[in-house]
Amino acid sequence: AQKITQTQPGMFVQEKEAVTLDCTYDTSDPSYGLFWYKQPSSGEMIFLIYQGSYDQQNATEGRYSLNFQKARKSANLVISASQLGDSAMYFCAMREGMKTSYDKVIFGPGTSLSVIP
Amino acid sequence: NAGVTQTPKFRILKIGQSMTLQCTQDMNHNYMYWYRQDPGMGLKLIYYSVGAGITDKGEVPNGYNVSRSTTEDFPLRLELAAPSQTSVYFCASSYSLGVNSPLHFGNGTRLTVT
Repeated sequence: AQKITQTQPGMFVQEKEAVTLDCTYDTSDPSYGLFWYKQPSSGEMIFLIYQGSYDQQNATEGRYSLNFQKARKSANLVISASQLGDSAMYFCAMREGMKTSYDKVIFGPGTSLSVIP
Repeated sequence: NAGVTQTPKFRILKIGQSMTLQCTQDMNHNYMYWYRQDPGMGLKLIYYSVGAGITDKGEVPNGYNVSRSTTEDFPLRLELAAPSQTSVYFCASSYSLGVNSPLHFGNGTRLTVT
């Protein structure tokens, strides 16, 4: 079963506007971490933001914030004041505290964001 | 600070050939990983290592081998390349196994098997 779902294969946003990228996850582990990564067209994977399952407040990093709704198992990334350089693939990922057969960070399929001038 | 360095950036292989993808990190991380990225599929874990001399299989290990002789280096070996191994390969490292420890990625290797 897919543990990370990103339902928006592609998104468009006007420059300077805010955009929300959706991520839902599935786990029975009470301890887990959620991550967002950015992959520009050049191909590298850039770590953006982290949210822990026990964190009381939503994470923020500059123009990035994470709308964490634990009961709904969602961890949406909000990018404020979009810039042309934000055009990229965005991946949601999860790391569970309970290790089963192997340690892994699970990735969603990604959302492609295009910022329109 | 170089972080995680992968070579080569691009490679074309013929079916049945073999090659080694190199990965080195200078952050003194014990934990290292190899992922492959296929379009629309996210990243899948091939192998990982929790320290020098210790490696283990991930989700999609068939057709690959790894070794970890030092903390810094974690090469991935493809034997008898097949078209199904056409993909982008990422090496990553992490400070710990904790849930708050992000992966730090190399820039990737784009491999085509024809």
